[in-house]
Amino acid sequence: GEDVEQSLFLSVREGDSSVINCTYTDSSSTYLYWYKQEPGAGLQLLTYIFSNMDMKQDQRLTVLLNKKDKHLSLRIADTQTGDSAIYFCAEDGANSKLTFGKGITLSVRP
Amino acid sequence: EADIYQTPRYLVIGTGKKITLECSQTMGHDKMYWYQQDPGMELHLIHYSYGVNSTEKGDLSSESTVSRIRTEHFPLTLESARPSHTSQYLCASSPSRGAETQYFGPGTRLLVL
Repeated sequence: GEDVEQSLFLSVREGDSSVINCTYTDSSSTYLYWYKQEPGAGLQLLTYIFSNMDMKQDQRLTVLLNKKDKHLSLRIADTQTGDSAIYFCAEDGANSKLTFGKGITLSVRP
Repeated sequence: EADIYQTPRYLVIGTGKKITLECSQTMGHDKMYWYQQDPGMELHLIHYSYGVNSTEKGDLSSESTVSRIRTEHFPLTLESARPSHTSQYLCASSPSRGAETQYFGPGTRLLVL
């Protein structure tokens, strides 16, 4: 079945790069996604990558996909305090439903 | 910014009350979803709809019910609220074609006493 794994917490210093990792199990996923959730808010789609791509860059965000190892990562360059949030990876699967990871809390310290 | 709205944002009610959580989107999306998010942050899909008059139960069993009479509206109802229903409820919608880019509302935080 589908399952998405993430570690729970990451702390970085402002200005450093952050790397958030995710593993998934459904090799039939068409796209993989990264969402951000700020306190008291819903989820916001950050970026997504087609499963046949290895990398996608969007301003400070870089997504890397290793389809062989079913590993997805999100790199945030020049991390800012406004990047502090919970980050979820997700994969699409049967019936177009998304399976989300448990989320990782990113804390950016000055 | 996605145009998807949820009301109320916060709700405190007593056990046994009937409640309806509202969700509306103005993007013309056919697909809509309800998720329950527990304090540990994990999201659980409880209901989804692929169009008018179409509703399905999600992966997590829920005592709530939904309806989809209009494309833009996907309300969730609890006939008799219990403390175990205390949670955050997130509504989302997505277009029918292309990537499953779900847009989320701000959520309703429900507390049942």
